Amino acid sequence: KQEVTQIPAALSVPEGENLVLNCSFTDSAIYNLQWFRQDPGKGLTSLLLIQSSQREQTSGRLNASLDKSSGRSTLYIAASQPGDSATYLCAVKYGGATNKLIFGTGTLLAVQP
Amino acid sequence: DAGITQSPRHKVTETGTPVTLRCHQTENHRYMYWYRQDPGHGLRLIHYSYGVKDTDKGEVSDGYSVSRSKTEDFLLTLESATSSQTSVYFCAISPGLANTDTQYFGPGTRLTVL
Repeated sequence: KQEVTQIPAALSVPEGENLVLNCSFTDSAIYNLQWFRQDPGKGLTSLLLIQSSQREQTSGRLNASLDKSSGRSTLYIAASQPGDSATYLCAVKYGGATNKLIFGTGTLLAVQP
Repeated sequence: DAGITQSPRHKVTETGTPVTLRCHQTENHRYMYWYRQDPGHGLRLIHYSYGVKDTDKGEVSDGYSVSRSKTEDFLLTLESATSSQTSVYFCAISPGLANTDTQYFGPGTRLTVL
């Protein structure tokens, strides 16, 4: 069964700290991997998408890496801010005709001012 | 933001009643999806559509049906709601199946079945 796991489930850090969120997946035959952000009571917003042929993607203070062989991805947030507080979800797309995503359960991040 | 709306945004209903949730998009994207989000389970796919009148089941489709009569609208129906269907429901859209195509999510509908 294709599963996606995120550790830790929750994380609290002081403002300004650099942090890493982890995502692991059981089947390495992925199409792409995405990181989403979800604010309380809101929908999901795509942050970064890494194709299977790529090793990392960067957007501003965010950097996502992908290691297919080990079934892992990390989301690195530099110089964290209170506005980064949200739930971060990892989702994996496997090959096929449907573009279906398999989601992890997310990491709830709190950045303390 | 992608043009996706969901209605209603909140609904409380009783066990055994039918419920229909609507997803409306203004992006003319081909693919539309319904997910439910529950604590400890993340988002799970209920049904998806790959074109008008073309739909298929997802991971947790039992007790749900869908219809898509127009490109812009995707309806999710609970024929006879049960307490286990209390959840937050998200609609998503995607332009295609390219490796770079992401999914864009609506704001969600919080459904409570008493």
